[in-house]
Amino acid sequence: AQSVTQLGSHVSVSEGALVLLRCNYSSSVPPYLFWYVQYPNQGLQLLLKYTSAATLVKGINGFEAEFKKSETSFHLTKPSAHMSDAAEYFCAVSEQTSYGKLTFGQGTILTVHP
Amino acid sequence: GAGVSQSPSNKVTEKGKDVELRCDPISGHTALYWYRQSLGQGLEFLIYFQGNSAPDKSGLPSDRFSAERTGGSVSTLTIQRTQQEDSAVYLCASSLARHYEQYFGPGTRLTVT
Repeated sequence: AQSVTQLGSHVSVSEGALVLLRCNYSSSVPPYLFWYVQYPNQGLQLLLKYTSAATLVKGINGFEAEFKKSETSFHLTKPSAHMSDAAEYFCAVSEQTSYGKLTFGQGTILTVHP
Repeated sequence: GAGVSQSPSNKVTEKGKDVELRCDPISGHTALYWYRQSLGQGLEFLIYFQGNSAPDKSGLPSDRFSAERTGGSVSTLTIQRTQQEDSAVYLCASSLARHYEQYFGPGTRLTVT
């Protein structure tokens, strides 16, 4: 069974600093990979997704992620954090042979300090 | 356009009561998913509907949970004889088809007292 591990349940950065949120997956076949963001009392919003095309994926709000098969990783980055980026971020996978059911990591809460 | 809507947004119920949670997917989306978000378990898949095919119920935690999707559109998740461990946010998502982007609703926060 596939699983997702997000390293660090809480990440704190200063405004303008690099954001790096880590995600590793375990799957025998490279899955589809996603990053979602959740603002307080809201549903999940898709930031970006990897579906076996380019390994560097650009998403909304300046975020990007790089798929590294050798490391089974899909880390999320943003060069310069903004106060509005404060939220909870979830990495998720779905098997290519499945119907799209998402398996989520435990989430990382990002705090941005002025 | 309209996104995925869920009702009610909040539900407080007494242990042992039945509850129904509703999801209105985006028009034209054939795939519909239910997930549960709780402090202890994180985000977990519950059930999947695709068109007129039989749903995948493999994520339902017990036989107290059931769901239906009428006319390929609106879905209702029913929890019978609620327990305190059922307290969670129940999220619904829809997509054009499998592996397309899933659009999530705002969720229903269920509190069992």
